[in-house]
This record gives sequence, C-alpha cells and structure tokens, in this order.
Amino acid sequence: ELKVEQNPLFLSMQEGKNYTIYCNYSTTSDRLYWYRQDPGKSLESLFVLLSNGAVKQEGRLMASLDTKARLSTLHITAAVHDLSATYFCAVESTQGGSEKLVFGKGTKLTVNP
Amino acid sequence: EADIYQTPRYLVIGTGKKITLECSQTMGHDKMYWYQQDPGMELHLIHYSYGVNSTEKGDLSSESTVSRIRTEHFPLTLESARPSHTSQYLCASSEWFRDTTYEQYFGPGTRLTVT
Repeated sequence: ELKVEQNPLFLSMQEGKNYTIYCNYSTTSDRLYWYRQDPGKSLESLFVLLSNGAVKQEGRLMASLDTKARLSTLHITAAVHDLSATYFCAVESTQGGSEKLVFGKGTKLTVNP
Repeated sequence: EADIYQTPRYLVIGTGKKITLECSQTMGHDKMYWYQQDPGMELHLIHYSYGVNSTEKGDLSSESTVSRIRTEHFPLTLESARPSHTSQYLCASSEWFRDTTYEQYFGPGTRLTVT
C-alpha cells in the first residue's frame, strides 16, 4: 500500500527566509503532484512532476523529484506572506489495477512579517 | 482555469435527511473523484469513476453512493445524513488516456454540516 509522508506538518517562517518541504513515498511511482490550499478553499495545482530528475519553478517555489530516493522537495525562496497556505503532495498509485492519487497530510505554512 | 463546479457550496441539514451533492465539469474528462476532507487534514478518496456507468469505492469507507450517467456529471448522495458526515467534500476530474491518469482539477468544495 502506497504511503505518502510530508514533513514538516507545520512550518512557521519569517519573510525573506528559505525553507524546504519534503515529501517521501513508499512504493515506486513516476508521477508526483504538488497542490496548494488556502483556508476554507479548494486545491490549486502547483506542479506536476512526471520523471526522475524533474525540476519545475514558479515564482518563489521550486519542486523537484527523485524517483530513486522516492522523494520530492518543495523549496521556498525568500518567503512572502502570500505564500501562507497548506501544501499537499500527492503520488499516483497504480495498485490494484486502478490509478489514483494518494495525498500526504499537508504542510501548513505560515509566513510572518 | 479548470471548469469544475460544485453545488451547494455550504449546506446545513438535520440528521436523517437525504442529500445529494452535485458536481459537474465541462472539460470532457473521463475520470472523476470525490474526496472527503476534515478541516486542516488530508484528503481521503471516497469514490471515483473511469467514465459513464463506471463507479468505484475509494480508500475511505463511506456511507454515500455515486452515479455517473453522463460524462460531465458525478453526483454524491447520502441517504441518511449523520453528524459524523460533517466535513468538506471535494470533487475532482482528470483526463485518462491509455491507462495514464493526468493532473486532477478540483472543484470549490461543499462544506456540509449535519446537526
């Protein structure tokens, strides 16, 4: 059974600082997704990582995927308050003959002025 | 921007009532999903569908049922609501081509409270 672990689950950081969120998963998969969720809102797609070594960047966020280590990272550069949200990684599972996403518990990020 | 809609957005009902949460998408996606999410917590897949007349149960046991009579429509029904059903319900859809599932797009969610 595919398990997805994110850490940290809570992250409080100051504006201007850098930090990395980690997403580990337990079985082989080549597809990993990062989503953002604002309080009381739905999920917004951030990145789709489809192969080993994939790296994608959007503004102050950069995501990477190492399928051999079963690890993805979401790096935050020079954080700003607008980045405060919960970030979920999700890994595609093909167990049981069906394709579905298994989500991590989410990392709640708070960026303080 | 994804075109996936959910109604109602908020619903407060009494125990024992039957309710249907609506989800529609205009992207022609074959796969659709229902997730349950408690505030600040992870998402749990409760139902999904590969296409018309296809429905499958997800990982989280649920007393709800779904139907898929049209590609664009994937309603979720609770025959008898209970306080334990209080949660946010998120609908999503994705393309599915040659056994490959693509990125999921999420609707705005329905926040359900059962009193």
